[in-house]
Amino acid sequence: AQKVTQAQTEISVVEKEDVTLDCVYETRDTTYYLFWYKQPPSGELVFLIRRNSFDEQNEISGRYSWNFQKSTSSFNFTITASQVVDSAVYFCALSEGINAGNNRKLIWGLGTSLAVNP
Amino acid sequence: GAVVSQHPSRVICKSGTSVKIECRSLDFQATTMFWYRQFPKQSLMLMATSNEGSKATYEQGVEKDKFLINHASLTLSTLTVTSAHPEDSSFYICSGKRDRISTDTQYFGPGTRLTVL
Repeated sequence: AQKVTQAQTEISVVEKEDVTLDCVYETRDTTYYLFWYKQPPSGELVFLIRRNSFDEQNEISGRYSWNFQKSTSSFNFTITASQVVDSAVYFCALSEGINAGNNRKLIWGLGTSLAVNP
Repeated sequence: GAVVSQHPSRVICKSGTSVKIECRSLDFQATTMFWYRQFPKQSLMLMATSNEGSKATYEQGVEKDKFLINHASLTLSTLTVTSAHPEDSSFYICSGKRDRISTDTQYFGPGTRLTVL
């Protein structure tokens, strides 16, 4: 069965610190996608990144970076020089494999609540 | 971009009434839309998946007669909570996906907070 584990329920850091949010997944599929979404206090989920299972290159977007390692089934997210505006709940998600058909769903982690304090 | 709107953003209703929530994809055609509910400090719980022009597929444990979903066009899906009760109070979120075949990114609406008195 597919599963996404975000072991860190809550993280609290001081502004300008670097912080890494962990995501570990389980799947038997060979083709899948991994996602990170941000949910600020307003509630709207904001798409951050999608990663194909065949693409293990790390990605950097401004202060955000992602480390995808198939060997450990992890897709960790790092925020460099955190800011108060980064305070949010961050969700990691895994797509069902192609065998699930056209309406493939996302399997969600429980989320990590990040508080960045001034 | 890929913008999804939801209306209303907040609704308070009396027990026993029905509430309709609209979800619109503003700048893309959403062949598939998803409806979620989220309780405080919890993850998203998928309620149903709908494809334009066909009946929605409900997740186990979700009453299809209580949560009516209509996806009549490629840009609009509606969720109607019928005979709402206080336990239906929750944050309801929709998302749209462009492509039915491939696993495309889901783009989310801002959510609707339903409070049933």
